[in-house]
Amino acid sequence: KAGVTQTPRYLIKTRGQQVTLSCSPISGHRSVSWYQQTPGQGLQFLFEYFSETQRNKGNFPGRFSGRQFSNSRSEMNVSTLELGDSALYLCASSGGTGLNEKLFFGSGTQLSVL
Amino acid sequence: AQKVTQAQTEISVVEKEDVTLDCVYETRDTTYYLFWYKQPPSGELVFLIRRNSFDEQNEISGRYSWNFQKSTSSFNFTITASQVVDSAVYFCALSGGGSQGNLIFGKGTKLSVKP
Repeated sequence: KAGVTQTPRYLIKTRGQQVTLSCSPISGHRSVSWYQQTPGQGLQFLFEYFSETQRNKGNFPGRFSGRQFSNSRSEMNVSTLELGDSALYLCASSGGTGLNEKLFFGSGTQLSVL
Repeated sequence: AQKVTQAQTEISVVEKEDVTLDCVYETRDTTYYLFWYKQPPSGELVFLIRRNSFDEQNEISGRYSWNFQKSTSSFNFTITASQVVDSAVYFCALSGGGSQGNLIFGKGTKLSVKP
């Protein structure tokens, strides 16, 4: 079974640009969550999608948005990039039915904003 | 508020030493789940264990063991006879962010095992 796939692996953007990151969950998984990881703040929850609906959202500005497609693939978008958006963005998938479910993570997209 | 604290930022040991990673959590929920994840240099977090709030039994899996103590709100992780391959960042996490995809992570402990 293929794992969680995130593309691209690395991205370099400049301030003010926008970026779209992609995540393909494990086959059969309906929940996709996104996390931002930085050295200072650690792992912070961005949002979670389940069956194409946003189920939960973290404390991030509206520049961060996401969506999920009918095949459970998910994208997240960051508009008007700021230097502080430089981070590793991790996607995780799961069956989505219980708090005890473990998350399966991708290798992440390393975003650098210059 | 829910919170996970991993007080040890970095730990360095020599191979074959035992090492314990500490995790303290705060929650008002009566039902919750605790997790440990490992992040190797490749970046993806790898699930190690989960424990629910009603099960305080300690668990052992090979060289890994976990000590859950509700009275002290701690969920510590011990690696026995550490190996170089154990070098990674280890995260403790707590459920209860409203949905199962929202875990509250500690800041992580970077473990370096030297030969």
